[in-house]
Amino acid sequence: QVQLAESGGGVVQPGNSLRLSCSASGFTFSDYGIHWVRQAPGKGLEWVAVISYDGSIKYYADSLKGRFTISRDNIKNTVYLQMNGLRAADTAVYYCGQGTPIRYWGQGTPVTVSS
Amino acid sequence: DIQMTQSPSTLSASVGDRVTITCRASRSITTWLAWYQQKPGKAPNLLIYDASSLESGVPSRFSGSGSETEFTLTISSLQPDDFATYYCQHYNGYFGPGTKVDIK
Repeated sequence: QVQLAESGGGVVQPGNSLRLSCSASGFTFSDYGIHWVRQAPGKGLEWVAVISYDGSIKYYADSLKGRFTISRDNIKNTVYLQMNGLRAADTAVYYCGQGTPIRYWGQGTPVTVSS
Repeated sequence: DIQMTQSPSTLSASVGDRVTITCRASRSITTWLAWYQQKPGKAPNLLIYDASSLESGVPSRFSGSGSETEFTLTISSLQPDDFATYYCQHYNGYFGPGTKVDIK
């Protein structure tokens, strides 16, 4: 069955960096685009970024451009989200999801930005 | 970029009620729209795609309609398991702000 598992979350100080991973199994990974979506505590869903099946096309939420970078490794069946210059407002649970629309979601990894 | 809005932000209803949630796009998105249900502490679950297609395994009391800039999600007879927050999403990624359905 399709499984997505996020990892790499944790507590980080403002201004620092973090790299999240989304490991996938149960489907032909190189056939699907992958999204990152986040949810701040008590808030709604916020789309972060998407990468195409082959990694050639990437889109980002306007509010995040320049700080976050999405990439993928189709040998390792993994998508990454490199997050730089983290701010308190980036505190959230980060989910990865398969396809458009998103049919399968991971369980999420929490990121807390705090001094 | 295209902005998504939803109304109402909160909806109080009883079991058996017919519930309608509206999603609007700032410009035409044809039928490139999905609806999700989310319960506290859980990842979202896809209900409707392409504005009106029911995702496999989703109960038939859920339905979607609309095109261009105005869309609706309807629950024909609200069940206890349906109390949750609902989001629309344009296929460019952006979500609406959500509609919380709670118990009247």
